[in-house]
Amino acid sequence: EPEVTQTPSHQVTQMGQEVILRCVPISNHLYFYWYRQILGQKVEFLVSFYNNEISEKSEIFDDQFSVERPDGSNFTLKIRSTKLEDSAMYFCASSPVGAGELFFGEGSRLTVL
Amino acid sequence: GENVEQHPSTLSVQEGDSAVIKCTYSDSASNYFPWYKQELGKGPQLIIDIRSNVGEKKDQRIAVTLNKTAKHFSLHITETQPEDSAVYFCAASINNAGNMLTFGGGTRLMVKP
Repeated sequence: EPEVTQTPSHQVTQMGQEVILRCVPISNHLYFYWYRQILGQKVEFLVSFYNNEISEKSEIFDDQFSVERPDGSNFTLKIRSTKLEDSAMYFCASSPVGAGELFFGEGSRLTVL
Repeated sequence: GENVEQHPSTLSVQEGDSAVIKCTYSDSASNYFPWYKQELGKGPQLIIDIRSNVGEKKDQRIAVTLNKTAKHFSLHITETQPEDSAVYFCAASINNAGNMLTFGGGTRLMVKP
């Protein structure tokens, strides 16, 4: 069964460092998303991406965040200068259409020290 | 924006009993309500969803009901089994392109054999 894969599963970084989280969405899907879950809190929407551009983003997704689909298969989330409060589980998701089921990856745990 | 509240936060039942998880939402424009199951170390997985043009949907032991007037929806699991033990999340969205989901806080369901 096709699945969304994410790397790394866990990354530890120092505050102020840049981090790139990688995702390989399901191959025939057209919409891509990043969500995050701070420990003990709700899963929160960050950004959606379609046709090589951001279609929606939340207030959380400020100038420190960027997304890219560099090569037609990977979908990346970059955090330019990490803060302690960026520590969370980051989930990538994809869907075949905008109004369809989201398929989530297993998440990348980011720990900022 | 949309706010989704979910209750209870933890639920313990005996194997074979039923489990009910309830969610309320705030934005009357929301029209898509999925339920996700998250097992330890994995990403959320869709188990059932309902759109605002129906009041109830059933899939084997799982059913979801929606009351648009009261802005609440519920997940019902009958004949619970130990493998139903997981964290369950409700979510809501205005189902346009992008499918930006607002999640509830999650319910940890424990099914005791």
